[in-house]
Amino acid sequence: DAKTTQPPSMDCAEGRAANLPCNHSTISGNEYVYWYRQIHSQGPQYIIHGLKNNETNEMASLIITEDRKSSTLILPHATLRDTAVYYCIVRVNRDDKIIFGKGTRLHILP
Amino acid sequence: DAGITQSPRHKVTETGTPVTLRCHQTENHRYMYWYRQDPGHGLRLIHYSYGVKDTDKGEVSDGYSVSRSKTEDFLLTLESATSSQTSVYFCAISDWTSGTGYEQYFGPGTRLTVT
Repeated sequence: DAKTTQPPSMDCAEGRAANLPCNHSTISGNEYVYWYRQIHSQGPQYIIHGLKNNETNEMASLIITEDRKSSTLILPHATLRDTAVYYCIVRVNRDDKIIFGKGTRLHILP
Repeated sequence: DAGITQSPRHKVTETGTPVTLRCHQTENHRYMYWYRQDPGHGLRLIHYSYGVKDTDKGEVSDGYSVSRSKTEDFLLTLESATSSQTSVYFCAISDWTSGTGYEQYFGPGTRLTVT
């Protein structure tokens, strides 16, 4: 089973910040939080990852709570092209079984 | 798609026939994965490999086998296809990359229909 809980769907107005929550209350000290998204029928695409500090790249920001039991992915200025399913995953930062949950379907409204 | 190809991209087959899907990578990544995706289930891991001839089961491995005789190729075989195996199959590769950690790169997918 996935170690994360995400809302099944969310709406966001175009141009606004989209804030996608993820709960991972059983995260271990050596597990990272990774975010991916899947647009339409394409393969998932990496967005960002982090351990305990907040992270930012050209696509998004990742805010991880101090207790690391939850995180938020922020798309600062959502566009219609950001409509996708967003997956939050926790995993040790080496490769092993990677379990995807059902993700959050984000709808960007014009 | 980061040097990952899947073949075939579409296949229709009959129940009971064997089917092999191929994933080929040109990135020399150590880790390879097979997932299936069905409506309402998201991505589910079938099998994965952490090196040549080193494979392990995922969460939905029944009815599937895999082989990896070369770094670049990871084969998924349905020994006797069933209608419940109708799905979209994604291959993924991964290895350590500075800045993105063990980011997974996904292939374009194979749409398999078992009639």
